[in-house]
Parts: sequence; structure tokens; C-alpha cells
Amino acid sequence: QQQVKQSPQSLIVQKGGISIINCAYENTAFDYFPWYQQFPGKGPALLIAIRPDVSEKKEGRFTISFNKSAKQFSLHIMDSQPGDSATYFCAASYTDKLIFGTGTRLQVFP
Amino acid sequence: KAGVTQTPRYLIKTRGQQVTLSCSPISGHRSVSWYQQTPGQGLQFLFEYFSETQRNKGNFPGRFSGRQFSNSRSEMNVSTLELGDSALYLCASSFVRFGDTEAFFGQGTRLTVV
Repeated sequence: QQQVKQSPQSLIVQKGGISIINCAYENTAFDYFPWYQQFPGKGPALLIAIRPDVSEKKEGRFTISFNKSAKQFSLHIMDSQPGDSATYFCAASYTDKLIFGTGTRLQVFP
Repeated sequence: KAGVTQTPRYLIKTRGQQVTLSCSPISGHRSVSWYQQTPGQGLQFLFEYFSETQRNKGNFPGRFSGRQFSNSRSEMNVSTLELGDSALYLCASSFVRFGDTEAFFGQGTRLTVV
């Protein structure tokens, strides 16, 4: 019940395309849903986050879509760039701990 | 301001040994969490400390332990190392709790058990 399921495991996108990563959860106690971006040799860094009372949040080229009834949320990266190539983790938080998805390795080719 | 600092960056240990990893959070942050990152399992929560008290613990054996000092610095200890403990260990700090404020991660300590 504490799991966060993430898909796909890897994603290859052409430059300028849209990257979409999906996550699903079971525990309705989760109250904070961040996305983290991790480059090789670095720790994860917060990209964008949403709370369950909002259905969508956009920051630049990055958008989170949140479906509370389906217990799903997704990250959309518009106009994907080679510099976006990284591993992306969705997460969900409650009682002071973050539960992470298994990660999606995104590769954006020129 | 300085980020989360983890030391050492790399460690090689032998099976059966013990190891201590250190984490210095961002100044003013009182919550420190530890995660184990492996290619197959992703980021697994180990434990979280706030004001020297362990508030949450993940599903890891008792060989994994931690503590937090009065200056919020934290240490993680793994005793009787096993080959499967080879991983990147990440520390994250937050002002209060992850649900209210951003969690900042260090670069991690890469532990190799041989």
C-alpha cells in the first residue's frame, strides 16, 4: 500500500517531442506528490510538485497532471531537450517520508 | 548557501565489516532522511530524523542504524556488511517535513562491498 508504481522504465524521445511519465499509488493518505530529476553522479533534485487538491500544475516546460479519483499522476515534458536526459522519479509523501517510484530513464536525441 | 554534504563520496569495504556514513544538512534544516539507491530497487527509504529523534523507519534490517546530533548532522551505520549492501546512499534534508518544504539531496556515498 505504500508503493508508488512508475512507468515506463525507460523512454526515448526526439528533440522537441513530448515526454510523458506515469505514476500510480494506492495509499490515499499521501498528501504531496513531487517529481525529482537525477543526473549521473548527482543526487535527485526537486523538479516540480503538486498537492491532491490541484489537478494540474505547470512550471515552464514541465507539467504535472493529477487524477485523484484514479490515484494517478503524470509528468509531461514539452519540447523535450537533450539536456533533459536524466532519470526521473515520482514520489509521494505522508508522515514525513518520501516514497519513490522506481525511476524512468529519459533519453532525448537531437 | 551550502548544500547537503555527504562524506565520504566513495567507500570500499569487505563483507562482515561495518561502515559509518556522514551527512551534514543545509544550515537550518532539522529533518534528515536516508535512502538507499540501487539499479534494481530505486530509492528505498531507510529512516528519518528530526531534532535528534527517529520519526520514521523503513523496512531494512537492524544492521542499518542511524543517529542525529544536536547540530542536525546525521550519521548512518551499517554493521556486518553484505554484498547486497553495495549501493548509493543518499541523505536528504528538509526544513521541517518533506510534505511542507522541499527536500534537498546530497550527492551520496557510493558503498561497494567486496
